[in-house]
Amino acid sequence: KAGVTQTPRYLIKTRGQQVTLSCSPISGHRSVSWYQQTPGQGLQFLFEYFSETQRNKGNFPGRFSGRQFSNSRSEMNVSTLELGDSALYLCASSLREQSEWGGSYTFGSGTRLTVV
Amino acid sequence: AQSVAQPEDQVNVAEGNPLTVKCTYSVSGNPYLFWYVQYPNRGLQFLLKYITGDNLVKGSYGFEAEFNKSQTSFHLKKPSALVSDSALYFCAVRGDSGSARQLTFGSGTQLTVLP
Repeated sequence: KAGVTQTPRYLIKTRGQQVTLSCSPISGHRSVSWYQQTPGQGLQFLFEYFSETQRNKGNFPGRFSGRQFSNSRSEMNVSTLELGDSALYLCASSLREQSEWGGSYTFGSGTRLTVV
Repeated sequence: AQSVAQPEDQVNVAEGNPLTVKCTYSVSGNPYLFWYVQYPNRGLQFLLKYITGDNLVKGSYGFEAEFNKSQTSFHLKKPSALVSDSALYFCAVRGDSGSARQLTFGSGTQLTVLP
């Protein structure tokens, strides 16, 4: 079966612009979690969506937002981009929401965002 | 809040030698523990998990991990390293109650297996 699909794979944006990233989970998975990965900070939790509702949010400014559609696909948006937003953005899908799921997660290959 | 510590940013080992990647954790309640591996320009791949039962967990690609409750550790091991094992390894923990039920990752350990 198809894995987790993230688009686009690479993106270059200018400071001040906004960007939208997309994540399509494995068929049947209803939870999508987003992470920011940087060399200095490791893997930082952004937010989790389950059944079109945000279930949990990490410690990121309001410029980072997301949503989930009825088919479980999720998008994250970053407005007013800063140089420090350059990172690999990963999404992970699971059958149930994190608080109810003790199993493994399936990750996409990520979107590499570069802000110049 | 729970936390995961991977004390070594980098681990180098010769091919054919045993390898260990260290992980310690802090979480309220019983821990759910995971190891993931990341190859360059790829997402994380699940290796193995511990939820309950035998303290020695066997996973993909010949990896195993030992859960030690008294030392709050979950070290990843492999008896004989391969060059293809070179990658970034992440340990993750989740508790079984309240706000601890969110998955938290360590900072990662870069494993390099030298030919």
